[in-house]
Amino acid sequence: GQQVMQIPQYQHVQEGEDFTTYCNSSTTLSNIQWYKQRPGGHPVFLIQLVKSGEVKKQKRLTFQFGEAKKNSSLHITATQTTDVGTYFCAGITWGYGNKLVFGAGTILRVKS
Amino acid sequence: NAGVMQNPRHLVRRRGQEARLRCSPMKGHSHVYWYRQLPEEGLKFMVYLQKENIIDESGMPKERFSAEFPKEGPSILRIQQVVRGDSAAYFCASSTGRQETQYFGPGTRLLVL
Repeated sequence: GQQVMQIPQYQHVQEGEDFTTYCNSSTTLSNIQWYKQRPGGHPVFLIQLVKSGEVKKQKRLTFQFGEAKKNSSLHITATQTTDVGTYFCAGITWGYGNKLVFGAGTILRVKS
Repeated sequence: NAGVMQNPRHLVRRRGQEARLRCSPMKGHSHVYWYRQLPEEGLKFMVYLQKENIIDESGMPKERFSAEFPKEGPSILRIQQVVRGDSAAYFCASSTGRQETQYFGPGTRLLVL
């Protein structure tokens, strides 16, 4: 079945350093979504990417969808303590029940 | 517009008891999803429902777990004869369609003693 893998599982960074999490799918995705979950909170939708090679920015966050639509990345520039949390990618593949499949998430910790 | 609502937020049960978790989707959303999350782990898909229908229950344990989304009222995730391993956060999400953005509720933290 469809699998969505995320790396790294954990990342500890010093405040001000950059952070990147990568998402890879075993199948070509029709779109990919990113969510953030703060400690003790619930996942919150950040963004959706649909087009091959698409790049979107939200302030210090840059989201990228690979040319083959099988991978994606989230890059945070100059991390802040407010960036702490777990970042999930979630992808949809046509023909696999067309449901959103979540990656395991990357836990980001920021040391001030 | 109220978001996805879940209750209770915290639930404590003793082994062998039943747990009932409720989820009211966002207004206008007819698709509901249930996920389970263990501490420091990812979201595990359990079941996907539309009004009165179970669309995909591939993530549901075969025994003791059931879900429904009646024509009227909230979606219910029911766990019978709970065991300690059922302790987790259970999140409900809703959407307008199966490929659309999912909006998550605050979750129910279940603790089985």
